[in-house]
Amino acid sequence: ETGVTQSPTHLIKTRGQQVTLRCSSQSGHNTVSWYQQALGQGPQFIFQYYREEENGRGNFPPRFSGLQFPNYSSELNVNALELDDSALYLCASSQPPGLVPDTQYFGPGTRLTVL
Amino acid sequence: DAKTTQPNSMESNEEEPVHLPCNHSTISGTDYIHWYRQLPSQGPEYVIHGLTSNVNNRMASLAIAEDRKSSTLILHRATLRDAAVYYCILRDVVPGTYKYIFGTGTRLKVLA
Repeated sequence: ETGVTQSPTHLIKTRGQQVTLRCSSQSGHNTVSWYQQALGQGPQFIFQYYREEENGRGNFPPRFSGLQFPNYSSELNVNALELDDSALYLCASSQPPGLVPDTQYFGPGTRLTVL
Repeated sequence: DAKTTQPNSMESNEEEPVHLPCNHSTISGTDYIHWYRQLPSQGPEYVIHGLTSNVNNRMASLAIAEDRKSSTLILHRATLRDAAVYYCILRDVVPGTYKYIFGTGTRLKVLA
């Protein structure tokens, strides 16, 4: 069984640039959720993708967008980067929404630094 | 959104039991209580979950108050590998949306 993988591990960007982060879900999981974790804080839900469509969104502006592909992998795109976007970005895969327990399996994260 | 409140940090001696509390006074009737932990430089990992009854698994036990407004994660014998941030989470169920709301977590330090 392959776990959740994320790439890249680390990334440095400058303010105003755009970034794409990638996530491969665990085998058998078709739902992917993205979280932002600032230093010393708990993860904050960004959005979830199920069947290639956004299935819910947290309090993040539209410059945070995503995609899910037929193989259930996913991308998180952030446009017009701001300094406050510096954080650990976590991807989690799970079974379809509504199943209990909907245990989420997290990847190791991508550390984004915006200068 | 439902909220949880946890102590910022706790300490335990190795091989002693640890009780990690969580308050969730605004929990709704259908919210499940989940616990995850995050080891240094890793993503969170699932520990245990429950709805109304106490639960046990190989990692821990979960004790849920009768009114469900609080719960306690119990590690029966803490090891150095249990040093992590422990998150108590209520699964916010909105039709079509299933998101986890993480609190600030409790940083557990295990002393040798």
